[in-house]
Amino acid sequence: QQQVKQSPQSLIVQKGGISIINCAYENTAFDYFPWYQQFPGKGPALLIAIRPDVSEKKEGRFTISFNKSAKQFSLHIMDSQPGDSATYFCAALNTGNQFYFGTGTSLTVIP
Amino acid sequence: NAGVTQTPKFRILKIGQSMTLQCAQDMNHNYMYWYRQDPGMGLKLIYYSVGAGITDKGEVPNGYNVSRSTTEDFPLRLELAAPSQTSVYFCASSYDSLRGSYNSPLHFGNGTRLTVT
Repeated sequence: QQQVKQSPQSLIVQKGGISIINCAYENTAFDYFPWYQQFPGKGPALLIAIRPDVSEKKEGRFTISFNKSAKQFSLHIMDSQPGDSATYFCAALNTGNQFYFGTGTSLTVIP
Repeated sequence: NAGVTQTPKFRILKIGQSMTLQCAQDMNHNYMYWYRQDPGMGLKLIYYSVGAGITDKGEVPNGYNVSRSTTEDFPLRLELAAPSQTSVYFCASSYDSLRGSYNSPLHFGNGTRLTVT
């Protein structure tokens, strides 16, 4: 059973466009929601994270939007660049200290 | 700092063979983890450790064993390799909490790609 559902599986965006990746969860015990970025042949690296007491967090071109009532959160990449081409994972951490990851989104930004 | 170092990068095993995936970190992190990554499945936690001498099962521990005799090292042991264990394995560490908070993120190694045939 996939605890965190992520969509889309793949995404192609033109340079300068907005990339949007969505995640949904069921378990209300989750209380920390990070996003990871992974380049081919490398391990994931933390990109940005949010706690459920805020609805939005922005860091540069990356924004997390969080909707607690809908149990959904999303990553927005503004002004997408070819260097953003990577696989993105959402994750959720429960109060039992276990991370659950989404299935990943492969983003391609076309120059 | 080298960060999190995993060896080997690639390995092919025959069914029933055993091997140890090595993981070392030089950041003096308390917490270490092993994940496996399968296509379309995300990352699944196999085992984790909150400090030397302490380990605990994650989401998918069957077929694996770990030990944590030092702060730096956290090897993962496969005793009887099975085709279902074909995957990319990632080791990760963090400083002061399993939560891998923004101030103490999870640091991942570059992975070990294992094929069992």
